[in-house]
Amino acid sequence: KQEVTQIPAALSVPEGENLVLNCSFTDSAIYNLQWFRQDPGKGLTSLLLIQSSQREQTSGRLNASLDKSSGRSTLYIAASQPGDSATYLCASHSGTYKYIFGTGTRLKVLA
Amino acid sequence: SAVISQKPSRDICQRGTSLTIQCQVDSQVTMMFWYRQQPGQSLTLIATANQGSEATYESGFVIDKFPISRPNLTFSTLTVSNMSPEDSSIYLCSALDVSAGELFFGEGSRLTVL
Repeated sequence: KQEVTQIPAALSVPEGENLVLNCSFTDSAIYNLQWFRQDPGKGLTSLLLIQSSQREQTSGRLNASLDKSSGRSTLYIAASQPGDSATYLCASHSGTYKYIFGTGTRLKVLA
Repeated sequence: SAVISQKPSRDICQRGTSLTIQCQVDSQVTMMFWYRQQPGQSLTLIATANQGSEATYESGFVIDKFPISRPNLTFSTLTVSNMSPEDSSIYLCSALDVSAGELFFGEGSRLTVL
């Protein structure tokens, strides 16, 4: 059964820093991996989707990479801003479209 | 991308009562799912809402407790039945864009059971 883990669980950084969030999954036969952002008490906003044939995706200051062989994905945030403060979740599925979610990383960017 | 509306956005309910959450998608989607997010936790899949047939439930979730309807390709409801304080969670509706494999979410329904 797929398990998805995110490290660190929480992260606090000063504004302007570049940072990396990590996502590990146990079953390398994933179909897609998706990164989401969740603000407190809110739903999830899709950030980036990486399909199994891709190695990375970029959107603005965000870059997500996928290494299926090692069971890892990273989300790189460049020049962090206080507005980036949120919980970041990764999720994957292995062909059933039933996404399994990671434990999340709570990010706080200090002004 | 699909836009998903959920209501109610939040509610406070009494133990033993039931609440129905509605989910409306702005376009036809093949697959819809319901997730639960307990306080301080990540998301857990409750069930896949199947259009015109019974929902497919994940381990630990049963139809009697969480009946789901999906009468068409844009609408679904989740009922939380005979509620207890342990049901206090955020319930999230999601829809899949099958062409891209991308999952979209509504704003969630925050349920507090007293």
